[in-house]
Amino acid sequence: GAVVSQHPSWVICKSGTSVKIECRSLDFQATTMFWYRQFPKQSLMLMATSNEGSKATYEQGVEKDKFLINHASLTLSTLTVTSAHPEDSSFYICSARDKGQAGELFFGEGSRLTVL
Amino acid sequence: DAKTTQPPSMDCAEGRAANLPCNHSTISGNEYVYWYRQIHSQGPQYIIHGLKNNETNEMASLIITEDRKSSTLILPHATLRDTAVYYCIVRNSGYALNFGKGTSLLVTP
Repeated sequence: GAVVSQHPSWVICKSGTSVKIECRSLDFQATTMFWYRQFPKQSLMLMATSNEGSKATYEQGVEKDKFLINHASLTLSTLTVTSAHPEDSSFYICSARDKGQAGELFFGEGSRLTVL
Repeated sequence: DAKTTQPPSMDCAEGRAANLPCNHSTISGNEYVYWYRQIHSQGPQYIIHGLKNNETNEMASLIITEDRKSSTLILPHATLRDTAVYYCIVRNSGYALNFGKGTSLLVTP
């Protein structure tokens, strides 16, 4: 199957700093990417949908000014957690849809953020 | 998207078939049934999907009832590495996946 890569796989930062997570589709072009968040022992929660070249669509309750999403190319989307706080500590996972596929989604390995 | 109902947990002996059920009684005609699994601390892995016909690939088989209100994922010869949370999701092609709580499958020696 297609490969989606996230970087970094884990990051530790101080409270108040910003952290950027990258999501890349390695062998296909992704017109749409999705960002999820997963807290311990919980399921994945959709945060936002990003379409290449346009603004992201955020799910209810997700602060767009805190979680900045950029999808500037067909192979790269970034999620920036601004002014991170301990409650933002979570497992962030991206997913990408191959524009040539019938809607199948491929997931990255996830990025674990710990805010001290 | 239609909601799905899965048992919270199941056990299976290594080498035996694992049959994971899923109810999706409100599924609409253009919604697919997708199965993903998540091994601890990893991103979800695609397993299989189908619309109304049974499907088989190298990982599993998907059996969808004729009325499409339920389905069963079959792992024919479960191994310890199949221990994971399995998610059954119904959605229209192209849209995001909305994950429920899934079934935590434990494969035992």
